[in-house]
Amino acid sequence: QVQLMQSGAEVKKPGASVNISCKTSGYSFTSYYIHWVRQAPGQGLEWVSMMNPSGGSAKYAPKFQGRASLTRDTSTSTVYLHLSSLQSEDTAMFYCARDSGFAVATFILDDYWGQGTLVTVSP
Amino acid sequence: DIQMTQSPSSLSASVGDRVTLTCRASQSVSTYVNWYHQKPGKVPKLLIYGASSLQSGVPSRFSGRGSGTDFSLTISSLQPEDFGTFYCQQTYSLPSFGGGTKVEIK
Repeated sequence: QVQLMQSGAEVKKPGASVNISCKTSGYSFTSYYIHWVRQAPGQGLEWVSMMNPSGGSAKYAPKFQGRASLTRDTSTSTVYLHLSSLQSEDTAMFYCARDSGFAVATFILDDYWGQGTLVTVSP
Repeated sequence: DIQMTQSPSSLSASVGDRVTLTCRASQSVSTYVNWYHQKPGKVPKLLIYGASSLQSGVPSRFSGRGSGTDFSLTISSLQPEDFGTFYCQQTYSLPSFGGGTKVEIK
């Protein structure tokens, strides 16, 4: 069955960087785009970025351009989100989610989400 | 960036009530709007895509409509399990979500 398994919670100091992984299984890794969504405590959803695992290209929300980067490892079917220059406002749950479209980005996030990774930024 | 504005920000309604949530885009997004439902501590669940298409497995009491800048999600008969927050999302350009409408059951 399709699964997206994220890495564990992180605690970082302001100014530091964080790497979060999203290991996928149960389907063809290169056939579906992967998205990242952020949710601060008690707040709404915020789209961060997406990657085409086939070629490795990525797009970013303007707010995260230059501070976020996505990479992938096709041998382990894993996508990584790197977020730099962390501030307290970055304290949030980060989710990876699979696009609903086969080999195309629809930006519709249907049934397959990771469990979330809590990133806490605190002095 | 396209901004999505949801209203109301919260509401309280009784089981069986008809409830309508609205979402307005800062520019036309055609019908590239989706609706999600999120319960506390859970990941969002897709309800409606393409403004009005019901996602497989979603109860028929949920319906969506709209095009251009104005969209709505209607729950025809509110059920106890419908508590939580509802989000609209535009996918006309790089996606963005509305701020959410929190639904409480009286």
